[in-house]
Amino acid sequence: DTAVSQTPKYLVTQMGNDKSIKCEQNLGHDTMYWYKQDSKKFLKIMFSYNNKELIINETVPNRFSPKSPDKAHLNLHINSLELGDSAVYFCAATSRGFNEQFFGPGTRLTVL
Amino acid sequence: QQQVKQSPQSLIVQKGGISIINCAYENTAFDYFPWYQQFPGKGPALLIAIRPDVSEKKEGRFTISFNKSAKQFSLHIMDSQPGDSATYFCAASWTGANNLFFGTGTRLTVIP
Repeated sequence: DTAVSQTPKYLVTQMGNDKSIKCEQNLGHDTMYWYKQDSKKFLKIMFSYNNKELIINETVPNRFSPKSPDKAHLNLHINSLELGDSAVYFCAATSRGFNEQFFGPGTRLTVL
Repeated sequence: QQQVKQSPQSLIVQKGGISIINCAYENTAFDYFPWYQQFPGKGPALLIAIRPDVSEKKEGRFTISFNKSAKQFSLHIMDSQPGDSATYFCAASWTGANNLFFGTGTRLTVIP
């Protein structure tokens, strides 16, 4: 069983479109994250949710909106996609007070 | 502001050699220092971690050396193998924190 899963694995879309990426974890953890990894491999945290509550919201355009329907799921919706949004997006999970984060396999987003 | 500084950006080592990656931090509240390993097309995964009550931690061929007074820590990979070729990230956090502060990554290539 995959601990942290993401769908889709690849997403190719046109500029201006709206798209969503989904993340699910079966570890029973209460905190989930979205990271963006650019072409230089920099890992940048975007959002963090704890028990469905937003606790970290880094400087990210408001075209990005996370949603956590329950503590096992964290989705990322992106409006009006831009070329600069092309990157690999990783979901991660952990429990509060437990430092190790478990990452999903990533979603490679390509905006044309 | 980069909380954890990592060097080098890339590293090429011959098979059987020692790979050394260095990281430095400023925040003295950090008390958890993990290293993550990322293979192409995969998410980062925890490799080894240390807390500042010890100066060294070894797991197989991987060793973390920690210098609290210098606020530096490093990853040593002994007898480097082509299968170790990956991107390595150092990180830092404190107990109970919601997030990890990642370094900028080091792309390691081990030549057969």
